[in-house]
Amino acid sequence: NAGVTQTPKFRVLKTGQSMTLLCAQDMNHEYMYWYRQDPGMGLRLIHYSVGEGTTAKGEVPDGYNVSRLKKQNFLLGLESAAPSQTSVYFCASSYIGGRGKEAFFGQGTRLTVV
Amino acid sequence: AQTVTQSQPEMSVQEAETVTLSCTYDTSESDYYLFWYKQPPSRQMILVIRQEAYKQQNATENRFSVNFQKAAKSFSLKISDSQLGDAAMYFCAYRPAGTASKLTFGTGTRLQVTL
Repeated sequence: NAGVTQTPKFRVLKTGQSMTLLCAQDMNHEYMYWYRQDPGMGLRLIHYSVGEGTTAKGEVPDGYNVSRLKKQNFLLGLESAAPSQTSVYFCASSYIGGRGKEAFFGQGTRLTVV
Repeated sequence: AQTVTQSQPEMSVQEAETVTLSCTYDTSESDYYLFWYKQPPSRQMILVIRQEAYKQQNATENRFSVNFQKAAKSFSLKISDSQLGDAAMYFCAYRPAGTASKLTFGTGTRLQVTL
């Protein structure tokens, strides 16, 4: 049982390069989220999705784009990476109803932009 | 906008003792969920405990319990009989019950457990 899987686990980018982070979940969850974690700032929401084909901005969306073409996948794109985007990125997913309201997390992606 | 505040950046507790981590939140919603997540050095986010706002009874999971004060918008985590494996970052999180709801985190409390 994979749960939430993030690809890649680590990445180093040069300023101006682009990349896509992939999040895949096998729990048939409606909600999916992308967070970034920085020291002393907790987890801040970048973008989220409440269902296939939908996306919405979170707290810190600038410099990122997302897509959810399939229910099980949520992609986070950086078109032109900047050093300020050096962070640990987490994907999460959750159900829309029932008791299972908690979010399940991937293992994170450590991204360094040099 | 909903906000979650954890005012203790770091806490320390001796093994076998009890520690309480604080969390307050701001919301105009009446129906919502509150969570405590643990993040050990492995970076994995692990759910510790969950509280549904419409339930007056405080949630308990083994050595972990919460003190949920809805009127005061307070949601503290008590860890009893602390163990070395409890050392981690602890995050408080809030989510309204409606659709299109966002999960909002506090800034975290780093818990050290000493011998």
